[in-house]
Amino acid sequence: AQTVTQSQPEMSVQEAETVTLSCTYDTSESNYYLFWYKQPPSRQMILVIRQEAYKQQNATENRFSVNFQKAAKSFSLKISDSQLGDTAMYFCAFTASGAQKLVFGQGTRLTINP
Amino acid sequence: DTAVSQTPKYLVTQMGNDKSIKCEQNLGHDTMYWYKQDSKKFLKIMFSYNNKELIINETVPNRFSPKSPDKAHLNLHINSLELGDSAVYFCASSQDLGQEAYEQYFGPGTRLTVT
Repeated sequence: AQTVTQSQPEMSVQEAETVTLSCTYDTSESNYYLFWYKQPPSRQMILVIRQEAYKQQNATENRFSVNFQKAAKSFSLKISDSQLGDTAMYFCAFTASGAQKLVFGQGTRLTINP
Repeated sequence: DTAVSQTPKYLVTQMGNDKSIKCEQNLGHDTMYWYKQDSKKFLKIMFSYNNKELIINETVPNRFSPKSPDKAHLNLHINSLELGDSAVYFCASSQDLGQEAYEQYFGPGTRLTVT
């Protein structure tokens, strides 16, 4: 069974700083996908970024980028120039190819301070 | 336009009651899901449906019965509610493209409180 671990329950940074959220996973699958979802206080789950395991290039979406280390089974999220609106719970998630379910980590509560 | 909608958003009920949560998606997706988020914010898959067929039942008690009348709807009925059922329930949908896994779009969640 796959597992996803987020070792940082809470993080706090100042606005405009860069912050990195950690995620590790365990799987024996060779083809899989990794995601970061954001859940602000509104409770809505919002996709931040997606990474295909077969791609060596790290995914980026504007201020959000990942550091995907396949051999180490690590998938960290970097948020550059953090903004107050980035305050949220962040969930790392895994799905094996064709699995049709997401396995989530425990979440990291990120607070951006003014 | 709402992509994935759930009703109700809040549900307060007593132990032993039966309740339903409705979910609809207007994205034309083939696959729909129910996730449960507990009080510690942990999210776990409960069910997934593909083209109205049950694909995954993740060891959920029989008191939970999903029903998919068509591809756009996946409802969740819960019998004999227990205190431990209190949680936020999320419906989600995604496009089924075989082995490729794309974004799952989530509804706003239903906060169920059992007293």
